[in-house]
Amino acid sequence: QKEVEQNSGPLSVPEGAIASLNCTYSDRGSQSFFWYRQYSGKSPELIMFIYSNGDKEDGRFTAQLNKASQYVSLLIRDSQPSDSATYLCAVVHGSSNTGKLIFGQGTTLQVKP
Amino acid sequence: GAVVSQHPSRVICKSGTSVKIECRSLDFQATTMFWYRQFPKQSLMLMATSNEGSKATYEQGVEKDKFLINHASLTLSTLTVTSAHPEDSSFYICSARAMTGGGNIQYFGAGTRLSVL
Repeated sequence: QKEVEQNSGPLSVPEGAIASLNCTYSDRGSQSFFWYRQYSGKSPELIMFIYSNGDKEDGRFTAQLNKASQYVSLLIRDSQPSDSATYLCAVVHGSSNTGKLIFGQGTTLQVKP
Repeated sequence: GAVVSQHPSRVICKSGTSVKIECRSLDFQATTMFWYRQFPKQSLMLMATSNEGSKATYEQGVEKDKFLINHASLTLSTLTVTSAHPEDSSFYICSARAMTGGGNIQYFGAGTRLSVL
């Protein structure tokens, strides 16, 4: 079992729809959870971070964390073609004192006009 | 968000030469920086954790004598690919850890695309 798992996709949604990206992790002691967006040929860009159970909203983005189910998700409302990218879920182990991120393999999102 | 500068953005070199890549945190101090490598259509692979004032911690399978890391100040880490060969051609990305009120966050540099001929 991988430490951080994501469906590689591609996830295809029409413009204006809600895109739902999911991630599960294996280390129950994990404390910090991140979503990065990576455009082709570019480096990752931080979208959201979440530490507590529940929802965290920032503009069109909502991160959801359920530690009991070891599940974190990212919702993108009113999806735009410019949102087409690979979305990386990353987790910091509870035992880590360096903040080392464990990445999932990423989900490719395609938003079709 | 915090700004991490990485240079050069692209380098083409001959086989056998060494290449140095710089990673700077511009508006914050970073005691910890990370170096990643990414091959086409693959996820990020952590190579090493760079700690200011001490030796880097390398991930399993990464040759420390091949990939030299120096973190001499709180805002600068360098990665030197020594005696580069075509198989070292890849996208190298650094990140710096910024301590925020709620925890710590990694911000990424723009990456360096290395092509070894």
